[in-house]
Amino acid sequence: NAGVMQNPRHLVRRRGQEARLRCSPMKGHSHVYWYRQLPEEGLKFMVYLQKENIIDESGMPKERFSAEFPKEGPSILRIQQVVRGDSAAYFCASSQQGGFGNQPQHFGDGTRLSIL
Amino acid sequence: GDSVTQMEGPVTLSEEAFLTINCTYTATGYPSLFWYVQYPGEGLQLLLKATKADDKGSNKGFEATYRKETTSFHLEKGSVQVSDSAVYFCALTLRGGGKLIFGQGTELSVKP
Repeated sequence: NAGVMQNPRHLVRRRGQEARLRCSPMKGHSHVYWYRQLPEEGLKFMVYLQKENIIDESGMPKERFSAEFPKEGPSILRIQQVVRGDSAAYFCASSQQGGFGNQPQHFGDGTRLSIL
Repeated sequence: GDSVTQMEGPVTLSEEAFLTINCTYTATGYPSLFWYVQYPGEGLQLLLKATKADDKGSNKGFEATYRKETTSFHLEKGSVQVSDSAVYFCALTLRGGGKLIFGQGTELSVKP
């Protein structure tokens, strides 16, 4: 009964490189959410996806960031040309339906991204 | 806009003390309310939830009651343990589902 699986747990990149973060939702969950936690701050919503569709990307920076959740395989959060300010913990969550009420979101352990 | 406000931390208590962490919200419509807990180096775990006014969520000795009249969802525990040391997040999601809106988190430290 695996939970939400994220990998890698830790990722180190140099400025200008690309970072790819992966998330496999819980079994039976078709809704995926990405959140970012900056040091000493709470979690901020980035993007909400269902299979092959982006439902809400209102929290996603307009440039360099993209997300996908293909029909097969994990959800991917991609950050191109990383900068120091991208250093943060990125959390993925999943839910059965839209996450309201009795179908709450369940979180992975996160990917800690460090930019050198 | 929709938002969640929590009391600032860190909160330091002795073992077996009473805990209250205040949480108030602003939301259009009638949100679902949640408390999540984050232990060091880990992701968030759902602690408890309430989906409508006057509902009480409870788990592991923690409780919170959805108060529509005061737009609050305060977390309480009668007797804390050292193992409760963590960061606690209050959050809401709106009736249409989708994103969670989090408070800034409250760090709790329980001393033996």
